[in-house]
Amino acid sequence: GAVVSQHPSWVICKSGTSVKIECRSLDFQATTMFWYRQFPKQSLMLMATSNEGSKATYEQGVEKDKFLINHASLTLSTLTVTSAHPEDSSFYICSARVPSSDTQYFGPGTRLTVL
Amino acid sequence: AQTVTQSQPEMSVQEAETVTLSCTYDTSESNYYLFWYKQPPSRQMILVIRQEAYKQQNATENRFSVNFQKAAKSFSLKISDSQLGDTAMYFCAFMDTPQGGSEKLVFGKGTKLTVNP
Repeated sequence: GAVVSQHPSWVICKSGTSVKIECRSLDFQATTMFWYRQFPKQSLMLMATSNEGSKATYEQGVEKDKFLINHASLTLSTLTVTSAHPEDSSFYICSARVPSSDTQYFGPGTRLTVL
Repeated sequence: AQTVTQSQPEMSVQEAETVTLSCTYDTSESNYYLFWYKQPPSRQMILVIRQEAYKQQNATENRFSVNFQKAAKSFSLKISDSQLGDTAMYFCAFMDTPQGGSEKLVFGKGTKLTVNP
């Protein structure tokens, strides 16, 4: 149990375009999901907390208008990187919290490369 | 703000031997959760073990066990009978209880563990 999927696993896009990443909890309902960014050989950096049916809470320094988060259902949260630039290239990871155990389970990540 | 410190950037161990990864944290809360996650080369974050601060008994999961010292704010991970598949980056993480505060995970910088044949 507690499986989280992410799609796509990797994406290459041109500078100025937008990219959407999906995060799904496959076998449980997640009222709260989280989006992280990870640079090479570094730890995970929390970008935002996504709550179903309400606006996401962004961490300090994360641009809300650039990283749009939508948590439209109890099993799906999306992260849209708008007007992507090469500096947005990174590994993006989502997680979903299992309410009964207060434990986060992670998706496999999405590698974004902006040319 | 809570902080998590992993003082060993890299470690190595021979297959079948035992290794201990260190983690210390700082918090003023009395109830919280602690986790160890592993991130193998595939980069999938995998939960290794979970400890609730109000439980004095150390958590165990097969070959993985923790030494939780609440007063010392220490949470080390012991891996017994190390296997090649244990090669990964290991992250220690702290979380307040949702009732007590943020449900966000605070991660350490990680320890890269290599298991040698």
